[in-house]
Amino acid sequence: AQTVTQSQPEMSVQEAETVTLSCTYDTSESDYYLFWYKQPPSRQMILVIRQEAYKQQNATENRFSVNFQKAAKSFSLKISDSQLGDAAMYFCAYLMNYGGSQGNLIFGKGTKLSVKP
Amino acid sequence: ETGVTQTPRHLVMGMTNKKSLKCEQHLGHNAMYWYKQSAKKPLELMFVYSLEERVENNSVPSRFSPECPNSSHLFLHLHTLQPEDSALYLCASSQDIAGISTDTQYFGPGTRLTVL
Repeated sequence: AQTVTQSQPEMSVQEAETVTLSCTYDTSESDYYLFWYKQPPSRQMILVIRQEAYKQQNATENRFSVNFQKAAKSFSLKISDSQLGDAAMYFCAYLMNYGGSQGNLIFGKGTKLSVKP
Repeated sequence: ETGVTQTPRHLVMGMTNKKSLKCEQHLGHNAMYWYKQSAKKPLELMFVYSLEERVENNSVPSRFSPECPNSSHLFLHLHTLQPEDSALYLCASSQDIAGISTDTQYFGPGTRLTVL
């Protein structure tokens, strides 16, 4: 069965600095999708970034970028120029890419990010 | 309203009560999901509907009963719940093409459920 592991329950970063959140996953599949979601204290889960496993190029979205290492099954999120609004729970998630997946997103336990002014 | 909305945002119920959670998506998607988020546990998928048909029931107890009357609305009917069912219940939707649910899921704000 697929699993997603986030080994950092909590992280802290100074405003304007850079922080990297770790995620590893376990799968025997070769084709899948990976996501980072952000859940602020208001609770709305927001998509941060998405990566297709067949793409070698790392996805980027403004200040957010990923380091996708397929062989190592690693998918870390880098947040540059951290802002106070980045404080939230961050969840890494995995989704298989075949018809039988039926949208079953597998989530990690999350990393709570604090941003210090 | 835009995106995915959920009502109520908070719900307190006794174990003998019957209540329903409502989810509505305004994104034109045709797949909808219920997730359970408990403290210190990963999000757990409960149900998946695609084109108003249930395609996944992730071993959820029968005291949770989903209903999807159309592609924009999803309900979760609750009856005789247990205190351990207290959690945040999240609804999500995605564009499901040809039965392959690999598109990004967009989440609602959730309903915080407390069972006394």
